[in-house]
Amino acid sequence: GAGVSQSPSNKVTEKGKDVELRCDPISGHTALYWYRQSLGQGLEFLIYFQGNSAPDKSGLPSDRFSAERTGGSVSTLTIQRTQQEDSAVYLCASSYGAKGKGAQHFGDGTRLSIL
Amino acid sequence: GESVGLHLPTLSVQEGDNSIINCAYSNSASDYFIWYKQESGKGPQFIIDIRSNMDKRQGQRVTVLLNKTVKHLSLQIAATQPGDSAVYFCAENSRGGSEKLVFGKGTKLTVNP
Repeated sequence: GAGVSQSPSNKVTEKGKDVELRCDPISGHTALYWYRQSLGQGLEFLIYFQGNSAPDKSGLPSDRFSAERTGGSVSTLTIQRTQQEDSAVYLCASSYGAKGKGAQHFGDGTRLSIL
Repeated sequence: GESVGLHLPTLSVQEGDNSIINCAYSNSASDYFIWYKQESGKGPQFIIDIRSNMDKRQGQRVTVLLNKTVKHLSLQIAATQPGDSAVYFCAENSRGGSEKLVFGKGTKLTVNP
C-alpha cells in the first residue's frame, strides 16, 4: 500500500508569506505527527493528532504555526508570516497510535526555504 | 529535560565489516526505542524497535541492544553494505507521555567498498 505522502516536496517563498504543507497518512493509521528537521540535525517534534482527541501542540515553536487534521485523515500544517528561521524540512509521520502496535512511518518531507 | 544523544557523529567502515552505532538517553521513563535510517532527501525509514522489557531484539542483519542500567542503546549492522550508508537516528518515547518521539542528532555511517 501507499506510504505517507507529503506535498509539495519543495517550497520556496518570501519572508512574511503564509505557507501550507499537506500530509496524507497511511490508510488505517489513526495517529499523525509533524516534525521539523533543520540541516544536519535530528527531528524536532511539532504536533501530534490521535483520533478525536485534542492534539498535543506542545512542540509548536510559536503561534505562527498551526495544524489541522480533517476527517481523521489528511493534515495541513500552516506557517503564517514566515521567517528565515522557519527554513527546514517538515516531516509528517503516521502510526496506529498505540505504542508497540506499529512504529511511526515517515513521508519524505517538504523542504521549505524562506528567502 | 529529555535528551537522546549519540556518542559518535560519524562512522566509517569497510564493506563486509560489522557496524555498531551507539545512543545514550537520559530519560529513565523512556520505555520504547526505535532506530531509523535516513538517506539523503528521504524521510526516516523504520529499521527496528525495542521495548524496555527486552534487552535485545534481532531483525534482518540488524540487532538492537538496550542497557537500561546505563541508559544506552546500540544498533549493530552485520556485514555492512554500501546501501547501508546513511544517517542513523535513535528515538525514544516515554511511558505515560505523549506518543511523540524524541530524536538524537544522528550518526552518519559511510561504508567504503
